[in-house]
Amino acid sequence: AQKITQTQPGMFVQEKEAVTLDCTYDTSDQSYGLFWYKQPSSGEMIFLIYQGSYDEQNATEGRYSLNFQKARKSANLVISASQLGDSAMYFCASGSYNTDKLIFGTGTRLQVFP
Amino acid sequence: DAGVIQSPRHEVTEMGQEVTLRCKPISGHNSLFWYRQTMMRGLELLIYFNNNVPIDDSGMPEDRFSAKMPNASFSTLKIQPSEPRDSAVYFCASSPGRRKIATNEKLFFGSGTQLSVL
Repeated sequence: AQKITQTQPGMFVQEKEAVTLDCTYDTSDQSYGLFWYKQPSSGEMIFLIYQGSYDEQNATEGRYSLNFQKARKSANLVISASQLGDSAMYFCASGSYNTDKLIFGTGTRLQVFP
Repeated sequence: DAGVIQSPRHEVTEMGQEVTLRCKPISGHNSLFWYRQTMMRGLELLIYFNNNVPIDDSGMPEDRFSAKMPNASFSTLKIQPSEPRDSAVYFCASSPGRRKIATNEKLFFGSGTQLSVL
């Protein structure tokens, strides 16, 4: 069965600094996708970035990048130049064709301070 | 594009009452998902539909929960009778998915319904 582990319940970072949010996954599937979503205090779930298991390059979307280490089964999110608006919950998720559903981790609460 | 629309945003009800949550997916999307979010259990997939057909309802907690998708633009999640432990945020999400969920299929979420059962 798929499992997503986010070991950091909370993280603090100063504005303009970079921060890494950890995510490890456990799957027996060869083909799978990894996602990061942001949930601000308003509650909506916002898609940030996607990485496919066969992608050789790490995914990047603006200030977001995904540090994909397949052998270690990790998919850490890196946010560069943090902004106050980045304060939110961040969820890592995994989906695969065989499992046929998107499984979420427990989330990391990021607080950006001035 | 209006995005995924859920109603109501907030629902407060008493134990034993019937609760109906509604969702309108993004037009043209073929897959619809219902998730429940609680502090204790995080985000759990309850059920998902593809082309209006329920594909996997293994996450539905018990017979008190039921979901329908009568057409491509509308879905309901019903709890009858409701219990205090059903209190949670219920999210609906949709994706373009034509068959089973693909590995790169990102989900578009609604704003959620905050349900409180007293």
